[in-house]
Amino acid sequence: KQEVTQIPAALSVPEGENLVLNCSFTDSAIYNLQWFRQDPGKGLTSLLLIQSSQREQTSGRLNASLDKSSGRSTLYIAASQPGDSATYLCAVTNSGGSNYKLTFGKGTLLTVNP
Amino acid sequence: DTGVSQNPRHKITKRGQNVTFRCDPISEHNRLYWYRQTLGQGPEFLTYFQNEAQLEKSRLLSDRFSAERPKGSFSTLEIQRTEQGDSAMYLCASSFPLGGYTFGSGTRLTVV
Repeated sequence: KQEVTQIPAALSVPEGENLVLNCSFTDSAIYNLQWFRQDPGKGLTSLLLIQSSQREQTSGRLNASLDKSSGRSTLYIAASQPGDSATYLCAVTNSGGSNYKLTFGKGTLLTVNP
Repeated sequence: DTGVSQNPRHKITKRGQNVTFRCDPISEHNRLYWYRQTLGQGPEFLTYFQNEAQLEKSRLLSDRFSAERPKGSFSTLEIQRTEQGDSAMYLCASSFPLGGYTFGSGTRLTVV
């Protein structure tokens, strides 16, 4: 059974700092990995989607990497801003018969202080 | 297309009542999903539709839960005889096959 772990559970940084969020998964047979942002009481906003054949994806100040063989992904946020404060969720889709189902981590709660 | 739309945004109901939530996916997406999220946890899979066919139901979805997607368009999730443990955020998402998910804003259910 796929399990996704996100470290740290919470992170507080001053504005302008670069930071890294970590995600690990137990079964490396994934089809893709997706990073989401969730604001309090809201739904999920997709940030980056990495296919299993890719090593990284970039969008603006965000860069996500994937090392499928070791079961790890990182989300790098450059020059953090208070508006980046949110919970960041990592989710994987397994390859094979259940390639439609996302398995989520519990998320990292990020606070960027002005 | 304005994305995935969910209604209502919030629902407060008394224990034992029935509730129904609606999800309107992105029109081009043939896959539709329901997830449930409790406080401090990641979303958990409930059920999945490809077009109008419901292809998988999680064991989390007890007999009190039913989901439909008539004509492969919008979907409804009904909970009968609600219990306090049903209080959660119910999230709907849609996608192309093997594509990234787009989630709605969710429906927050509180059972009192």
